[in-house]
Amino acid sequence: AQRVTQPEKLLSVFKGAPVELKCNYSYSGSPELFWYVQYSRQRLQLLLRHISRESIKGFTADLNKGETSFHLKKPFAQEEDSAMYYCALMAGGYQKVTFGTGTKLQVIP
Amino acid sequence: ETGVTQSPTHLIKTRGQQVTLRCSSQSGHNTVSWYQQALGQGPQFIFQYYREEENGRGNFPPRFSGLQFPNYSSELNVNALELDDSALYLCASSLVSGRLFNEQFFGPGTRLTVL
Repeated sequence: AQRVTQPEKLLSVFKGAPVELKCNYSYSGSPELFWYVQYSRQRLQLLLRHISRESIKGFTADLNKGETSFHLKKPFAQEEDSAMYYCALMAGGYQKVTFGTGTKLQVIP
Repeated sequence: ETGVTQSPTHLIKTRGQQVTLRCSSQSGHNTVSWYQQALGQGPQFIFQYYREEENGRGNFPPRFSGLQFPNYSSELNVNALELDDSALYLCASSLVSGRLFNEQFFGPGTRLTVL
């Protein structure tokens, strides 16, 4: 069974402070991991995926297979980063995506 | 190129009724997935359609059914509505073309309230 755990419902940080949104997963094979973001009054959208190894809007995420984690990081938070962030896993041969419960990031000016 | 659209935006039904939600895929996409998002939860996969056939299903009972049409628009039907079916229903479309990854683009959702 696939499971994604995001332990924090809410994370508040000051502008300019580092951000780390935690994500742990369970899956017996090799999944694809993603971070999705939902800004206020906007639809859910893909932020980044582990395979691409990109930095999007200053965010990075490293897949740690030993710890089964895929934490999202940004060195300096900006007010426009305030949003709901979902960690997600895709596996199983078709595009079933399993989402975590989400973490609301609040950047305090 | 138009994005994913869903209708209606909001819907109120009573327990035991049936409901149909609609999704128009992004232009050129051939795959649609439906998700249920209860309040305070992440989206949960209901099922996926590829070229008009169900291509995978999550842990939802048979009273949740779907259709995908030749133009790749889609419907989600829920029979015998229960109070716990109250949620935001999201559809997401993608173009499956043999590559390993095909980004899913989400619609704005339909908010269903069951009284």
